[in-house]
Amino acid sequence: GAVVSQHPSWVICKSGTSVKIECRSLDFQATTMFWYRQFPKQSLMLMATSNEGSKATYEQGVEKDKFLINHASLTLSTLTVTSAHPEDSSFYICSAYRGMDTEAFFGQGTRLTVV
Amino acid sequence: QQQVKQSPQSLIVQKGGISIINCAYENTAFDYFPWYQQFPGKGPALLIAIRPDVSEKKEGRFTISFNKSAKQFSLHIMDSQPGDSATYFCAARNVKTSYDKVIFGPGTSLSVIP
Repeated sequence: GAVVSQHPSWVICKSGTSVKIECRSLDFQATTMFWYRQFPKQSLMLMATSNEGSKATYEQGVEKDKFLINHASLTLSTLTVTSAHPEDSSFYICSAYRGMDTEAFFGQGTRLTVV
Repeated sequence: QQQVKQSPQSLIVQKGGISIINCAYENTAFDYFPWYQQFPGKGPALLIAIRPDVSEKKEGRFTISFNKSAKQFSLHIMDSQPGDSATYFCAARNVKTSYDKVIFGPGTSLSVIP
């Protein structure tokens, strides 16, 4: 089946620094990828839709200048958390559709801890 | 209207018992209803999914029941096992709108005790 891979699986960074998370579709091309954020014991909340070759679409309340999304190729989308603060600590998950499939494949998630 | 409601928030079931999780939605544009299973520290994985033109779908021990008129659907896990202990999310999506986002319910934490 299709595989979506995230890197890194976990990262610890100092407050004020920036962190980049990669989301790759390993065996298919994904024109659209999605970035979710999940706090402990809560559901996945969509942050933004990443479109290859164009600007990302952000959900209401998500700061686009803080969460920079780049979908530079059909297999890679990146989420950069800029000037990270402890409240940005969370579990970030990406997903992608393979063509017209109805299934959304999810990455294994990235645990970000800002200290 | 984009919301998907889910209950219960948590569920404890004895090994061999039946686990039942219920969901409801408002948006009639939703036409695809997946269930995801998530273990701690992992991304969600698709468990089973159903379209509204079907009232029931069974895969192994997992069954989705769908009531289109009531806009409700549920997951039944038969012969629940300790390995089923995880968080379960119902979800909804509009597949006619290609590449549309998945809307998740709030989740149910299932614990299956021996």
